[in-house]
Amino acid sequence: GAGVSQSPRYKVAKRGQDVALRCDPISGHVSLFWYQQALGQGPEFLTYFQNEAQLDKSGLPSDRFFAERPEGSVSTLKIQRTQQEDSAVYLCASSFLVDRAYEQYFGPGTRLTVT
Amino acid sequence: QKEVEQNSGPLSVPEGAIASLNCTYSDRGSQSFFWYRQYSGKSPELIMFIYSNGDKEDGRFTAQLNKASQYVSLLIRDSQPSDSATYLCASLPTPASGTYKYIFGTGTRLKVLA
Repeated sequence: GAGVSQSPRYKVAKRGQDVALRCDPISGHVSLFWYQQALGQGPEFLTYFQNEAQLDKSGLPSDRFFAERPEGSVSTLKIQRTQQEDSAVYLCASSFLVDRAYEQYFGPGTRLTVT
Repeated sequence: QKEVEQNSGPLSVPEGAIASLNCTYSDRGSQSFFWYRQYSGKSPELIMFIYSNGDKEDGRFTAQLNKASQYVSLLIRDSQPSDSATYLCASLPTPASGTYKYIFGTGTRLKVLA
């Protein structure tokens, strides 16, 4: 079946603009994760949903970051008043529970560049 | 101190050799550990996960976990040039209130020389 898809794949924003990044998870996956990956670093956890419930948003760097998943499927990560330090690849992963852990499938990512 | 530590590399091994990738973690409450492979410009893909002490084998890959030493490793046997990538180690701390906050290391870059 189809994997996780993300759009747009690339986004250039001027400092101060708002952006919205979309994630379409694998059908049937109840859990969805957002990560931020800076160049040369590992993914950093941002937030986690189980169905439509946002169970953990402790990784969101500031109140400019907001994520939602209103119907428990598609998710949107919104960044308001973008800053240069927001430039990174934003990865979405969906997963199902396997044994004692979630087997996460990552989307291709959205590369955000703030100029 | 980062919660999951990896040597950034690059680790260079000749084709056909065993590549050994290591990871240490600081949270003793961590339950599960994951190895991901990430090719340049691509997203991470899961190789395997482990949560019991000892070894877990899957094809050419073996994950090893030592909870007493807080150490996880990944062995790749018969390394191929196509294995050249960054390998990310991740831990899953003890879940609380249903959260699954995965912690990733910075990754080790592996180069397999033909």
